[in-house]
Amino acid sequence: GESVGLHLPTLSVQEGDNSIINCAYSNSASDYFIWYKQESGKGPQFIIDIRSNMDKRQGQRVTVLLNKTVKHLSLQIAATQPGDSAVYFCAETSSYGKLTFGQGTILTVHP
Amino acid sequence: DTGVSQDPRHKITKRGQNVTFRCDPISEHNRLYWYRQTLGQGPEFLTYFQNEAQLEKSRLLSDRFSAERPKGSFSTLEIQRTEQGDSAMYLCASSMQETQYFGPGTRLLVL
Repeated sequence: GESVGLHLPTLSVQEGDNSIINCAYSNSASDYFIWYKQESGKGPQFIIDIRSNMDKRQGQRVTVLLNKTVKHLSLQIAATQPGDSAVYFCAETSSYGKLTFGQGTILTVHP
Repeated sequence: DTGVSQDPRHKITKRGQNVTFRCDPISEHNRLYWYRQTLGQGPEFLTYFQNEAQLEKSRLLSDRFSAERPKGSFSTLEIQRTEQGDSAMYLCASSMQETQYFGPGTRLLVL
């Protein structure tokens, strides 16, 4: 069946370090992937997305890498700040349908 | 603030009572989604509307759950005869294309 999972449930970094959050997916039919950030008591906040015809996309301080061969997705955050502390979810979908989320990675940034 | 609003933000009810939640999507978005999220998990898909048509329902959506989007704008999610297992965060998202934008959620506690 479809599943999206994360390798690491928690990640602690020092302020200013780069962070890498990983995600594995199993549905080879997925053609669109999104990273969300969720702070306590709030809804998921869109960070960055990538289509299956790309292998890299950059935003402001964030980069998403997609490796379709091994069905792996990663989110890189440059110069991590305390405000980046949150739970990060990857999600996948196809054809404008439902999102399937992974379990989430808790990112803690220490000042 | 993504522009998706949900009401109420919090709801405490007794087992057996009915509850109704409302979602107002971003105005030009024709797709509206409902998800449920329990502590430590990613959101799980419940149902999806395109305009006023309900196009997909999850097996998680038991007979006690019903969702409507009568005029293709706001949507309501009703849970009848609530059970303690219904306690969760109920999230609404809307989209024009693939990217789904989430509201702040309604946190339900069933006593």
